Amino acid sequence: EAEVAQSPRYKITEKSQAVAFWCDPISGHATLYWYRQILGQGPELLVQFQDESVVDDSQLPKDRFSAERLKGVDSTLKIQPAELGDSAMYLCASSPDRISYNEQFFGPGTRLTVL
Amino acid sequence: QKEVEQDPGPLSVPEGAIVSLNCTYSNSAFQYFMWYRQYSRKGPELLMYTYSSGNKEDGRFTAQVDKSSKYISLFIRDSQPSDSATYLCAMSSSGGSQGNLIFGKGTKLSVKP
Repeated sequence: EAEVAQSPRYKITEKSQAVAFWCDPISGHATLYWYRQILGQGPELLVQFQDESVVDDSQLPKDRFSAERLKGVDSTLKIQPAELGDSAMYLCASSPDRISYNEQFFGPGTRLTVL
Repeated sequence: QKEVEQDPGPLSVPEGAIVSLNCTYSNSAFQYFMWYRQYSRKGPELLMYTYSSGNKEDGRFTAQVDKSSKYISLFIRDSQPSDSATYLCAMSSSGGSQGNLIFGKGTKLSVKP
């Protein structure tokens, strides 16, 4: 069964360092999402891509976060510099097309700990 | 008031019990309602997807939406220990444009053998 792949699964870093997370969506899925899930909370959307274009990054803290999906396939989310409050699970999700926006398939996530 | 409210639990039931999980919401524009299951240290998995009001059944799972009360429910019949997970409700107001899902906090369910 096709799945969303993410790496690394776990990342520990010190504050002020740079971190990067990678996501490979299900093959053929045009829409890709990055979410942040703080412990005990539901996921919150950070950025949404349609192919290689950003559709919504209104909740992305652009002073320190960046995201790209250069070839419209896999994607990278970067944080520089990391802050203590960035400790969370970072989830990537994908959906097949414009019609299926609400049917999102999630990867296993990257758990980030900032010390 | 958050847009979506969900009791975080934890909820503990014996195996075989009927489980009722609920969310309330304040945004009357929500039309699409989802339930996700999230096992510990895993990503959420889509369980049920409904549009507007009504019921939808899939095996042991039934999703209900009451838009007049702004209230949605997920029922699990004959609960199993493998159902132990966190259940997240999610909602959106658009089906064909931006897919900004608004999630509840999740309810942690434990089914005891």
